[in-house]
Amino acid sequence: DAKTTQPTSMDCAEGRAANLPCNHSTISGNEYVYWYRQIHSQGPQYIIHGLKNNETNEMASLIITEDRKSSTLILPHATLRDTAVYYCIVTVSQGAQKLVFGQGTRLTINP
Amino acid sequence: KAGVTQTPRYLIKTRGQQVTLSCSPISGHRSVSWYQQTPGQGLQFLFEYFSETQRNKGNFPGRFSGRQFSNSRSEMNVSTLELGDSALYLCASSLNAANYGYTFGSGTRLTVV
Repeated sequence: DAKTTQPTSMDCAEGRAANLPCNHSTISGNEYVYWYRQIHSQGPQYIIHGLKNNETNEMASLIITEDRKSSTLILPHATLRDTAVYYCIVTVSQGAQKLVFGQGTRLTINP
Repeated sequence: KAGVTQTPRYLIKTRGQQVTLSCSPISGHRSVSWYQQTPGQGLQFLFEYFSETQRNKGNFPGRFSGRQFSNSRSEMNVSTLELGDSALYLCASSLNAANYGYTFGSGTRLTVV
């Protein structure tokens, strides 16, 4: 599975958009980008995933560059409850998925 | 609907003992994965089961084993516990991981003394 690089920590003001970057320069053609987050003392929570097109759901938007070497997770109107560690994971989409979690980005939403 | 249920939530064991952790996936989910989370190593994949078959395994010693039953419930076992096995053990299930991702339980926190 491709290695991902994320900033260690980020801050964002409540109500503003939080943009979390991820680099995955060695991504293969059949690998998807998945985002999970982990709020303190809970299990990780799936957010969104994509292959090459931009994706949006009720939680977030995912922007993947045309060369697929990086992506950005966007939380459009961050709330205090979005404070968590965010993980960007690259993996194949079918079969037995093995999620390789890096250190993630610790996002703090400030009032 | 009920989420992924892991039991027990907390466990204290002594070095050398063995332990069995249980995971009940969301109804209809046939894929179950296990992860270990420690402050030093972060989240690490242990193994994944689908229809009672182990399809993928992480880089853990043979002391770590698992199984899945016909109702998709899963157990993991750790034998000859070591202090370093103290961790949060997380179970995740999925209907179709490719399209819906995994739903994680709250975990079992194991302390080895």
